[in-house]
Amino acid sequence: KNEVEQSPQNLTAQEGEFITINCSYSVGISALHWLQQHPGGGIVSLFMLSSGKKKHGRLIATINIQEKHSSLHITASHPRDSAVYICAGLIQGAQKLVFGQGTRLTINP
Amino acid sequence: DTAVSQTPKYLVTQMGNDKSIKCEQNLGHDTMYWYKQDSKKFLKIMFSYNNKELIINETVPNRFSPKSPDKAHLNLHINSLELGDSAVYFCASSIGRGRAFFGQGTRLTVV
Repeated sequence: KNEVEQSPQNLTAQEGEFITINCSYSVGISALHWLQQHPGGGIVSLFMLSSGKKKHGRLIATINIQEKHSSLHITASHPRDSAVYICAGLIQGAQKLVFGQGTRLTINP
Repeated sequence: DTAVSQTPKYLVTQMGNDKSIKCEQNLGHDTMYWYKQDSKKFLKIMFSYNNKELIINETVPNRFSPKSPDKAHLNLHINSLELGDSAVYFCASSIGRGRAFFGQGTRLTVV
């Protein structure tokens, strides 16, 4: 079993829908990253958070350290949001990220 | 200007060859990383360097040798390439344990 698990693995939705991607982890982490990987392959860091909630445009990330759970929400989803979303935990005391397997999101017009 | 740049973007080579992938960051970060993304798109850390010092080597074969000539560069040299080395390799950088910025990836294909 992975130290970082994401759900769902694949998600297809219609434009405009509210999207939630979940991330659970079983190791001690000091922070959690949400990354976006587009079909072209490049990786973009969306958020890094260690508590509470962060918002950037239509994207919202939350984390509950006690429950070892984080969520990424997309409001008013758009086809250009189609990508693979990856959560990664920064291991406590170590300078390394442990990655979830990714969630492939497809937004249809 | 590209913040974290890797070259080449694509690399096709024969088994047994030696090849290098270069990475440079112009963000003034002190920590750089190499990650490998396998055919199932799963990312795993390979190496982490802080101020040119190796701090993580995640059980990577000795055929892989990172070199950090300065804080802005972390190159990856691979000896005696094997078919299983085919993957996408990502370089990244950060300030300490802060938010990581990724390069565009290098797709290595060993034939």
